[in-house]
Amino acid sequence: QVQLVQSGGEVKKPGASVKVSCKTSGYSFTRYGITWVRQAAGQGLEWMGWVSAYSGDTNYAQHLQGRVTMTTETSTTTAYMELRSLRLDDTAVYYCSRGALGAAAGTPLFHWGQGTLVTVSS
Amino acid sequence: SSELTQPPSVSVSPGQTASITCSGDKLGDKFVSWYQQKSGQSPELVMYEDKKRPSGIPERFSGFNSGNTATLTIGGTQTIDEADYYCHAWDRGTHVVFGGGTKLTVL
Repeated sequence: QVQLVQSGGEVKKPGASVKVSCKTSGYSFTRYGITWVRQAAGQGLEWMGWVSAYSGDTNYAQHLQGRVTMTTETSTTTAYMELRSLRLDDTAVYYCSRGALGAAAGTPLFHWGQGTLVTVSS
Repeated sequence: SSELTQPPSVSVSPGQTASITCSGDKLGDKFVSWYQQKSGQSPELVMYEDKKRPSGIPERFSGFNSGNTATLTIGGTQTIDEADYYCHAWDRGTHVVFGGGTKLTVL
């Protein structure tokens, strides 16, 4: 079965960077993209961006452009999301998710990781 | 602020029909998905491409999208349906957004 297993929680200081991993299994990795979504405590879902595991093409939310990088590593079927210049309001649970076969950034998200809490605190 | 507007909360009695709306400019021209998120859990897709149910989602869940409004309807609502629901829209992958979420209370 399809599984997305994320790395553990992180605590970072403002200005630092964080890199969250998403280990996938149970499907053909390069035939699907990975979408990243975050959720601050008590708040709604926020779409962050998408990366193609086939081509490496990306589509980022405009307000995160320049601070976020999403990549994939085919040899380990793992996706990564790096967020730089962290701010207090980046504190959130970060989710990776997998969409439909061959679909682009706006794909419905059929499978989700368990979430990774990133805490930004001075 | 979200470009998709949802009511913050909807209440329904068990066995009744719950309707959750999602409004946005020319939303009917876009594909809409819906996600259910129970407390402390990851979201789960319950509807995609306006009206398609993923495998394992009960038939009591249905969807419709036209004009500026998409609607998720839950017929014969059960207590297990109590959750936050989010709509999600995309226009061929160039602009993706979630609605602000609706808390469904079944009481």
